Amino acid sequence: DAKTTQPPSMDCAEGRAANLPCNHSTISGNEYVYWYRQIHSQGPQYIIHGLKNNETNEMASLIITEDRKSSTLILPHATLRDTAVYYCIVRVGGNYQLIWGAGTKLIIKP
Amino acid sequence: NAGVMQNPRHLVRRRGQEARLRCSPMKGHSHVYWYRQLPEEGLKFMVYLQKENIIDESGMPKERFSAEFPKEGPSILRIQQVVRGDSAAYFCASSPPFAPGITGNTIYFGEGSWLTVV
Repeated sequence: DAKTTQPPSMDCAEGRAANLPCNHSTISGNEYVYWYRQIHSQGPQYIIHGLKNNETNEMASLIITEDRKSSTLILPHATLRDTAVYYCIVRVGGNYQLIWGAGTKLIIKP
Repeated sequence: NAGVMQNPRHLVRRRGQEARLRCSPMKGHSHVYWYRQLPEEGLKFMVYLQKENIIDESGMPKERFSAEFPKEGPSILRIQQVVRGDSAAYFCASSPPFAPGITGNTIYFGEGSWLTVV
């Protein structure tokens, strides 16, 4: 079973920041938080990952709470092409099996 | 999707036929994974391979399914005597070698092969 909990769906206006929450209250000290997204009829796309510190790349920012029990993925300026299912996954760095939950269906509205 | 190449993208097979799905990992990646996604469900791990070795096939059905990653050429997922329940999207992924606690061994996915059994 997935070790994360995400809301099933969210809406966001185009051009605004999309904030996607994820709860992982049972996360272990050596487990990373990974985010992927899947646009309809495409393969999962890696977005970002982190362990303790907040992370930022060209796609998104990842904010991890100090107790590491939850995190938020931020898409700073959402576009219509960001409409997808977003998956939050916790994973030990050397663990190759990704356990996928139901994810959050993010719909960006014009 | 970061260079993992899968083909065919779409495949239609009649019940009882064989399906062969191919995957070329990203350049520099020596580890390949296959996942299956049934309609309206999440991805499920099937098998993990390195060159000429199956490391973990715990997620693969015991019958009719096999996978290989030869020394030369792409990884192949083979489904014999397909049934309607095999209709799904099959995703290949690749990564550099793993080491415990080492970050940066992110797994990247291909665009998938959609199998339809009629």
